Amino acid sequence: QQQVKQSPQSLIVQKGGISIINCAYENTAFDYFPWYQQFPGKGPALLIAIRPDVSEKKEGRFTISFNKSAKQFSLHIMDSQPGDSATYFCAASTSYIPTFGRGTSLIVHP
Amino acid sequence: NAGVTQTPKFQVLKTGQSMTLQCAQDMNHEYMSWYRQDPGMGLRLIHYSVGAGITDQGEVPNGYNVSRSTTEDFPLRLLSAAPSQTSVYFCASSYTITSTDTQYFGPGTRLTVL
Repeated sequence: QQQVKQSPQSLIVQKGGISIINCAYENTAFDYFPWYQQFPGKGPALLIAIRPDVSEKKEGRFTISFNKSAKQFSLHIMDSQPGDSATYFCAASTSYIPTFGRGTSLIVHP
Repeated sequence: NAGVTQTPKFQVLKTGQSMTLQCAQDMNHEYMSWYRQDPGMGLRLIHYSVGAGITDQGEVPNGYNVSRSTTEDFPLRLLSAAPSQTSVYFCASSYTITSTDTQYFGPGTRLTVL
């Protein structure tokens, strides 16, 4: 049973465009929603995270939007750059063990 | 700080061989874990530990053993390698065992089982 569903599996965006990755969850006990960024040949690294009492969090060009009633959250990358090309994982935690989505491979064309 | 280190970076095994993937962290983190990453499957938890001497199974524990004798080290043992264990393995750690703690990942070990 997939507790965190992530879409799309892959995404191609032109430089300067907006990249949007969506995640949905079932367990209402989740209380922390991080996003991780992974470059080829590297381990994932925390990008940005949000708690469910906040509807939006912005850090630079990266924004998380959170919809508690719909049990959905999304990552928006504004003004996407070729350097943003990576795999992005959403996650959800209710304890110290995060549950990860299956990942989205983002390619930003110059 | 070196953060989370993993050795080796690459490994090729034959079916039936055993080996140990090493993981170490120098951040005095309580929580350590092992994931495998396969195309289209994301990160799947193999085993985890909430402190020295304490380990537990994750989502896909079969064929793997772990132990945690020190806070710093968390080795993953493959008892009898199978082609289905071909994957990229990541070790991760976090300072405490709360849901809001950042997971710090190592650089990974790419394992091929022939």
